[in-house]
Amino acid sequence: SQQGEEDPQALSIQEGENATMNCSYKTSINNLQWYRQNSGRGLVHLILIRSNEREKHSGRLRVTLDTSKKSSSLLITASRAADTASYFCATGDIQGAQKLVFGQGTRLTINP
Amino acid sequence: GAVVSQHPSWVICKSGTSVKIECRSLDFQATTMFWYRQFPKQSLMLMATSNEGSKATYEQGVEKDKFLINHASLTLSTLTVTSAHPEDSSFYICSARVSLGGTAQFFGPGTRLTVL
Repeated sequence: SQQGEEDPQALSIQEGENATMNCSYKTSINNLQWYRQNSGRGLVHLILIRSNEREKHSGRLRVTLDTSKKSSSLLITASRAADTASYFCATGDIQGAQKLVFGQGTRLTINP
Repeated sequence: GAVVSQHPSWVICKSGTSVKIECRSLDFQATTMFWYRQFPKQSLMLMATSNEGSKATYEQGVEKDKFLINHASLTLSTLTVTSAHPEDSSFYICSARVSLGGTAQFFGPGTRLTVL
């Protein structure tokens, strides 16, 4: 079953603005990952944050994790048209298989 | 970075036929591969976890006799959709986890299956 809820489901902003997407989950996790998916394509891994980390940066991406609230956020700064895609959070479980459970995703549209 | 390929990228078949989808890790060994299904505008749903040399572990509600998984080597896993029906039409995506100490999964480009 799906673990994560993502908010908002869809987001449309102007190029250059910042985009923030939120993700909530239900159970204990080992890590949380964010992925990007362009329409009809596979997933691209963006960033992984471990359960003992609170914030992580990668280029224009900033991810936060609040395990007490079971939530995470992805911030994309200075957005570009090429950032238009669907963004998914996925939680990695604490079991050996480390399978991922995906949220519903946020469809981000960057308007030029 | 780690590259995962899938073949074919798309397939159209008649109802009742079987379709095999291959997932390969091109530049790394993957003891564990995962198969997902994604319906239009929806998220990925994990179907099964595939371990090299052993039987796959299926998620609840996924028919193992319909979705046959074989992980014969450290670089190849196959998913066979047997007796496909139109409701099996979907985007099938595999991922592979690096064998040694990896936690991130690398995803294939997906296979679009359309059953007529």
